[in-house]
Amino acid sequence: GQQLNQSPQSMFIQEGEDVSMNCTSSSIFNTWLWYKQDPGEGPVLLIALYKAGELTSNGRLTAQFGITRKDSFLNISASIPSDVGIYFCAGHLTAGGTSYGKLTFGQGTILTVHP
Amino acid sequence: DADVTQTPRNRITKTGKRIMLECSQTKGHDRMYWYRQDPGLGLRLIYYSFDVKDINKGEISDGYSVSRQAQAKFSLSLESAIPNQTALYFCATSKGLAARDTQYFGPGTRLTVL
Repeated sequence: GQQLNQSPQSMFIQEGEDVSMNCTSSSIFNTWLWYKQDPGEGPVLLIALYKAGELTSNGRLTAQFGITRKDSFLNISASIPSDVGIYFCAGHLTAGGTSYGKLTFGQGTILTVHP
Repeated sequence: DADVTQTPRNRITKTGKRIMLECSQTKGHDRMYWYRQDPGLGLRLIYYSFDVKDINKGEISDGYSVSRQAQAKFSLSLESAIPNQTALYFCATSKGLAARDTQYFGPGTRLTVL
């Protein structure tokens, strides 16, 4: 089946630093999504990307949908302590004109921010 | 109040026991999903349901069963729990099937099988 490779697996940074993480796939997706999971909570959608080449921002977060439709990256600028958590990429594929909303998730990037 | 709730939040059980995890939602969504999360593996889909009458297997359904008792309720059962089913389990809902129909996740159930 489809697999997403997300990197890095973990990051330890100082408050104020910028962060970059990415996902690559062995096959194409129609939509890329980025989720954040806070400790003890379920994932929450941060950014959704619907077109190849699309660049979207949400506050200090910026994400891009790769031209090949096989990759995406997420940048966080000027990190703060509340950015701590696990970040997941997810790909969504519509096949044959129908979709059952299946998401394929990356392995996650664990972000630690030191004050 | 949370839109997607899961009970219990934590459960420790023994090998061979039957376990049921419950999910309820107040979002009025027809689509519901069960995922498991393992360190380093992300979230993997166990079962999903389009509506009360429609249940489908996901990528890792072996050893699990589900029941959609009502639009708002979707339960996951482990008929005979085994240690490698120790994981964090998430329920999710969505309004529709399109990519723009965001999946909303519950807070998770941490299950430990001894």
